[in-house]
Amino acid sequence: AQSVTQLGSHVSVSEGALVLLRCNYSSSVPPYLFWYVQYPNQGLQLLLKYTSAATLVKGINGFEAEFKKSETSFHLTKPSAHMSDAAEYFCAVSLNNAGNMLTFGGGTRLMVKP
Amino acid sequence: DAGVIQSPRHEVTEMGQEVTLRCKPISGHNSLFWYRQTMMRGLELLIYFNNNVPIDDSGMPEDRFSAKMPNASFSTLKIQPSEPRDSAVYFCASIKGQNTGELFFGEGSRLTVL
Repeated sequence: AQSVTQLGSHVSVSEGALVLLRCNYSSSVPPYLFWYVQYPNQGLQLLLKYTSAATLVKGINGFEAEFKKSETSFHLTKPSAHMSDAAEYFCAVSLNNAGNMLTFGGGTRLMVKP
Repeated sequence: DAGVIQSPRHEVTEMGQEVTLRCKPISGHNSLFWYRQTMMRGLELLIYFNNNVPIDDSGMPEDRFSAKMPNASFSTLKIQPSEPRDSAVYFCASIKGQNTGELFFGEGSRLTVL
């Protein structure tokens, strides 16, 4: 069964520092993978998605993620953190071939220090 | 364009009472999902509708939970009778056709059962 595991429930970085949020997946078929962001008291918003095209995927707000099949990973990065990036980030994998039924990881709360 | 609209945003009720959460998906979106978010269990997929038909309800925790989608623009999630362990934020999300993984989430309904 498809699943994702996010390493680190909390990550703290300084403003301007590199952001790295880790996600590993388990899937018996080529996966569709996603990163979503949740700001306080809001629903989730799609940051980026991997659907078997380019392995390096660029998303909104300067985030990107690289699909590494050999490592079963899909880590999210941003070169320089901004205060407005403070939020909770969720990795997700599709449970069906249509890619619209998602299961989410436990989430990583990103804190950005001034 | 209006996003996914959920009501109520907050609900406080007493154990044993019936709770009805409502969702209006984005116009033109043909798939709808109900998720539950808690600190302990993270985001859980409860049920998935496609073209108003329930496709997968394996995530519905027990018979106290039921969901309906009488038409393309409205869905309900009902809990009867409610219990304190049902306290959570319930999210509705919708997606259009073949737009892989691009779920649009509502702002959620925060339920507290006393």
